Amino acid sequence: DAKTTQPNSMESNEEEPVHLPCNHSTISGTDYIHWYRQLPSQGPEYVIHGLTSNVNNRMASLAIAEDRKSSTLILHRATLRDAAVYYCILRDDWTGEGAQKLVFGQGTRLTINP
Amino acid sequence: NAGVTQTPKFRILKIGQSMTLQCTQDMNHNYMYWYRQDPGMGLKLIYYSVGAGITDKGEVPNGYNVSRSTTEDFPLRLELAAPSQTSVYFCASSPGQGVFSPLHFGNGTRLTVT
Repeated sequence: DAKTTQPNSMESNEEEPVHLPCNHSTISGTDYIHWYRQLPSQGPEYVIHGLTSNVNNRMASLAIAEDRKSSTLILHRATLRDAAVYYCILRDDWTGEGAQKLVFGQGTRLTINP
Repeated sequence: NAGVTQTPKFRILKIGQSMTLQCTQDMNHNYMYWYRQDPGMGLKLIYYSVGAGITDKGEVPNGYNVSRSTTEDFPLRLELAAPSQTSVYFCASSPGQGVFSPLHFGNGTRLTVT
């Protein structure tokens, strides 16, 4: 699976939008972009994923660049509970292999100020 | 709805001791995984299983063994514990092939080897 690059840390204020960037310049045509987050002292939890089009769910939005070499996870109104490490992960979801052997980098540690 | 349950939550081992980390899931997922997370780092895949009786190595399998006798349980065995195995261990599960479903993680076992 291709590599991703994320900032080590970011800081934002409560009730403001947060844009978490991810670069993946070597992404292949069949790689999906997955985002997970890890709250303190917990296991990672799924946030969102997408291939080409922008995606929205109840937790966040995923904006994918037209050339797919970068993406941005958007938290529309951050709360203190959103303080976590956010991981951007690429996975070829078209291989037919069901095992999700995800490769977690160091992620971005997001701090939310009250 | 328990999801993925890991026991124990914490454990301290002496060098050379052995132990089994327990993982059970109640979602009838076919696929299960063991990851480890060293301080400040991302997660690394140790072993995974695509169904009862079938296991395979991940990125960092040395020093560990697994078994999968039932769909629900996927224990991780440490033989001859070493300080390098000090880490937080996460178990995860996913349904398998077909429609995408994210990984579901447990809350981890924090292991210290001294």
